[in-house]
Amino acid sequence: KAGVTQTPRYLIKTRGQQVTLSCSPISGHRSVSWYQQTPGQGLQFLFEYFSETQRNKGNFPGRFSGRQFSNSRSEMNVSTLELGDSALYLCASSLDFLAGANEQFFGPGTRLTVL
Amino acid sequence: GENVEQHPSTLSVQEGDSAVIKCTYSDSASNYFPWYKQELGKGPQLIIDIRSNVGEKKDQRIAVTLNKTAKHFSLHITETQPEDSAVYFCAASISASKIIFGSGTRLSIRP
Repeated sequence: KAGVTQTPRYLIKTRGQQVTLSCSPISGHRSVSWYQQTPGQGLQFLFEYFSETQRNKGNFPGRFSGRQFSNSRSEMNVSTLELGDSALYLCASSLDFLAGANEQFFGPGTRLTVL
Repeated sequence: GENVEQHPSTLSVQEGDSAVIKCTYSDSASNYFPWYKQELGKGPQLIIDIRSNVGEKKDQRIAVTLNKTAKHFSLHITETQPEDSAVYFCAASISASKIIFGSGTRLSIRP
């Protein structure tokens, strides 16, 4: 069974640009969560999608957005990039928290560098 | 707000000795407490988890304990091996799909 895949693995952008990151969950998993990981702030929850609907959201500005497609694949978008957005962006999938399946499987992440 | 504190931030133990990492959480509604191991260049990997209706859980050399009254939970690794070297994160799940992570502990195993 293939794991969670994220593309691209590395990305370099400049301030003001926008970026789209992609996540393909494990087959059969319908819940996809996104996290930002930085040395200073650690792992912070961005948002979670289930059946194409955003079910939960962390404390990030509106420049951070996401969506989920009918095949459960998810994308996140960051607009008007700032230097502080440089981070490892992690995607995690699970069967469904509400069904009691709490275990999240993480992808390898996308390393975003903003210059 | 919701918060998970983790200590220590770094831990160095002799191979074969035990390692203990401790976390506290702020929201008494938390009901799921996973522990993740993250190796360099990889995403976090779940190593053990515990639910609020259980006080202790063990899986081979790894165990987790939960004290709901004190809002503490701990990870215990016995007979540590070089491959245990990594960054470990505790976390608490407060709502169905939102996990709050601790700040991480960098564990080093000395040969």
